[in-house]
Amino acid sequence: DGGITQSPKYLFRKEGQNVTLSCEQNLNHDAMYWYRQDPGQGLRLIYYSQIVNDFQKGDIAEGYSVSREKKESFPLTVTSAQKNPTAFYLCASSTNTGELFFGEGSRLTVL
Amino acid sequence: RKEVEQDPGPFNVPEGATVAFNCTYSNSASQSFFWYRQDCRKEPKLLMSVYSSGNEDGRFTAQLNRASQYISLLIRDSKLSDSATYLCVALGGSNYKLTFGKGTLLTVNP
Repeated sequence: DGGITQSPKYLFRKEGQNVTLSCEQNLNHDAMYWYRQDPGQGLRLIYYSQIVNDFQKGDIAEGYSVSREKKESFPLTVTSAQKNPTAFYLCASSTNTGELFFGEGSRLTVL
Repeated sequence: RKEVEQDPGPFNVPEGATVAFNCTYSNSASQSFFWYRQDCRKEPKLLMSVYSSGNEDGRFTAQLNRASQYISLLIRDSKLSDSATYLCVALGGSNYKLTFGKGTLLTVNP
């Protein structure tokens, strides 16, 4: 089955630690995205990539980093510089017409 | 003015009711629009794409009014399983600029 796989589903982090969230897709989509969702809020764009080896900052990129070494993979690192990292993180890829397909999400909690 | 604004909700309707959600967008360059459905603590899933004046899929109808810059979603004969948050999304002038509304929560009651 084609789709997007995110891992882990749940993650706990101590303050000051970096964590990396995995995102893999086998839909052969060029574009991939990372969004953050907080309770009662809409989705906010962290980073996006339209092609391998290229990525751009979204609206809330501070404290996050990404890489796009392979078409299928777009991992997100939440660094210790992110002041309020507890959130629901969603990875997505899109068709050429802009339709997004999401992974099941990763729920990060900072202890 | 926010880029994409939705009815704040929540909407509580009985089974069988017809319910309509409205969404306005500020970027006149937006070309495509989408409605997503998000269940509690789950990822959003594409419900409908709206490229021209409208789209219909079974009980669901989406309409686009470019002059007034709004999109609507109509759900007829509501089912309990329609209970979810509905997200309006606009695709702007550049390829990546997908802007989400905050969503409208719908609860369909027996």
